[in-house]
Amino acid sequence: SQQGEEDPQALSIQEGENATMNCSYKTSINNLQWYRQNSGRGLVHLILIRSNEREKHSGRLRVTLDTSKKSSSLLITASRAADTASYFCATVSSGNTGKLIFGQGTTLQVKP
Amino acid sequence: GAVVSQHPSWVICKSGTSVKIECRSLDFQATTMFWYRQFPKQSLMLMATSNEGSKATYEQGVEKDKFLINHASLTLSTLTVTSAHPEDSSFYICSARDNRVNLETQYFGPGTRLLVL
Repeated sequence: SQQGEEDPQALSIQEGENATMNCSYKTSINNLQWYRQNSGRGLVHLILIRSNEREKHSGRLRVTLDTSKKSSSLLITASRAADTASYFCATVSSGNTGKLIFGQGTTLQVKP
Repeated sequence: GAVVSQHPSWVICKSGTSVKIECRSLDFQATTMFWYRQFPKQSLMLMATSNEGSKATYEQGVEKDKFLINHASLTLSTLTVTSAHPEDSSFYICSARDNRVNLETQYFGPGTRLLVL
């Protein structure tokens, strides 16, 4: 079952611009993770934010988490053509065995 | 470290045949492995969770007799799609986790693309 929704479903920007993707979920969580998937490939883990954290940074990535709104955002700054991919959020619900439930994903296209 | 491989990377088969997909953790022991299915332009759907040495736990709506999962060792899990039909054509991805080290991190394989004719 899908945990929630991501928006936008598709995003097209110019190289150098920032890209923001949002993720909403439905249940209480232990943590929320963001993944990248290049076309037809496996997943690359980007960042994990725990339920007691509000913001986390990793290089050009910034993730926020608002547990009161059950939402998270992923910001990619100074985007590059190589950032073109699909981005998924995935949640681990409180109390379960660590199953990841994925959102619908956002397809990002960065034009050179 | 923490590399997961899948074999084959792609497979084409005739309707009615069975297909086996392997998922291996190359440099760590995977106490738990997960199998996902992804249809074109869609997200990953968890199919089942398998713990080494025990029966897999299937998600609602996934037929356990059609998707046979074996996790007989700490480095190998297999998914067998039995009597495959065209609607089983999909991208199958596994992930692996060592529960003794970290419950939060799953390492994903590169996926297996299945086309049933």
